[in-house]
Amino acid sequence: GIQVEQSPPDLILQEGANSTLRCNFSDSVNNLQWFHQNPWGQLINLFYIPSGTKQNGRLSATTVATERYSLLYISSSQTTDSGVYFCAVEGWETSGSRLTFGEGTQLTVNP
Amino acid sequence: EADIYQTPRYLVIGTGKKITLECSQTMGHDKMYWYQQDPGMELHLIHYSYGVNSTEKGDLSSESTVSRIRTEHFPLTLESARPSHTSQYLCASRRGAYGYTFGSGTRLTVV
Repeated sequence: GIQVEQSPPDLILQEGANSTLRCNFSDSVNNLQWFHQNPWGQLINLFYIPSGTKQNGRLSATTVATERYSLLYISSSQTTDSGVYFCAVEGWETSGSRLTFGEGTQLTVNP
Repeated sequence: EADIYQTPRYLVIGTGKKITLECSQTMGHDKMYWYQQDPGMELHLIHYSYGVNSTEKGDLSSESTVSRIRTEHFPLTLESARPSHTSQYLCASRRGAYGYTFGSGTRLTVV
């Protein structure tokens, strides 16, 4: 099946700093999503971005499907940005049947 | 945004008990999913459904069962809970080419 690798596994920032999270995937995809899991375990959808660039406030994401990677940018980080960020993809072969998750990036933003 | 509901939010139960985790969505989505997640780890698909009377096993072997009698309802049942079932269970739904939406999860502890 499709493989998803996220980097870095852990990231510690001071409030106000910027960061870039990366997601590499092993095959062509028809769905890619970025999620934020808060300390209470809730998984929040940040972006549905199988290709192209999107922005939502301080967050933006870019997926280069031909090169099989996606980037999540966090600018002017806040303590509420802390948590685990997951990239998840759905390959064309398993379209509609499952999202495959990476292992996540644990982000800690210190005041 | 969250129109997918899971109950209970937390559950502590004794070994050998039968339990049902509830998941309902009001968005009319045909595809629904159950994922299992150990703390701080990636999510693994355990069951999915393409619509009423359709259920399939996912990637992770699970001793649970599911049913899909109504579009909006996708309960997961453990016939005999064991400590190895201690985990977080997340329900999700998806319609067509749009992204996945997750519920808040059920944190299950089997003692």
